[in-house]
Amino acid sequence: GEDVEQSLFLSVREGDSSVINCTYTDSSSTYLYWYKQEPGAGLQLLTYIFSNMDMKQDQRLTVLLNKKDKHLSLRIADTQTGDSAIYFCAIPGGGNKLTFGTGTQLKVEL
Amino acid sequence: DAMVIQNPRYQVTQFGKPVTLSCSQTLNHNVMYWYQQKSSQAPKLLFHYYDKDFNNEADTPDNFQSRRPNTSFCFLDIRSPGLGDAAMYLCATSRATGVDIQYFGAGTRLSVL
Repeated sequence: GEDVEQSLFLSVREGDSSVINCTYTDSSSTYLYWYKQEPGAGLQLLTYIFSNMDMKQDQRLTVLLNKKDKHLSLRIADTQTGDSAIYFCAIPGGGNKLTFGTGTQLKVEL
Repeated sequence: DAMVIQNPRYQVTQFGKPVTLSCSQTLNHNVMYWYQQKSSQAPKLLFHYYDKDFNNEADTPDNFQSRRPNTSFCFLDIRSPGLGDAAMYLCATSRATGVDIQYFGAGTRLSVL
């Protein structure tokens, strides 16, 4: 199966940019995803990138994909306190399966 | 409007007492998934249905069963809950075509006393 790793914690000041990284060992050639989870809630899809792209921008979010290095990142510009949450990358395997990363807890300080 | 609805949001059961968690969807998606998420961990896939075709993960304990009586509903049955089964249970759906995004419900937090 796939291994998907993320750093556990990230702390930034409000207004700064946040960069959350994800490394994986294998992926089928489809879409790679970023989900956000607020305390006690389900997972909310933030954005996704198709595997033949290397960058996607969606308002404050920028996703970078380096297929050669198997590295995916999520940049949040002008980070706000409402962005505090756990962020999971999700990498597809075969047969409708997603493997989630270990999750990065983002803390935004005033 | 909620598209993937899980009931109840919080469930308390006793050690060994069977419990059923419910998930319904208004998206008419082909695939429904059940995940277990323990504190500070990633969601772990238990099983999924592609239409009526049940797909169990190899490491899902026999204690966990599922039913999908129709497209809209899917149930997670825990036959004899142990203390280690206390977790958040997440239901998700997807079309299984194209972008194939998984849409998640809000989850049911299960406590085992």
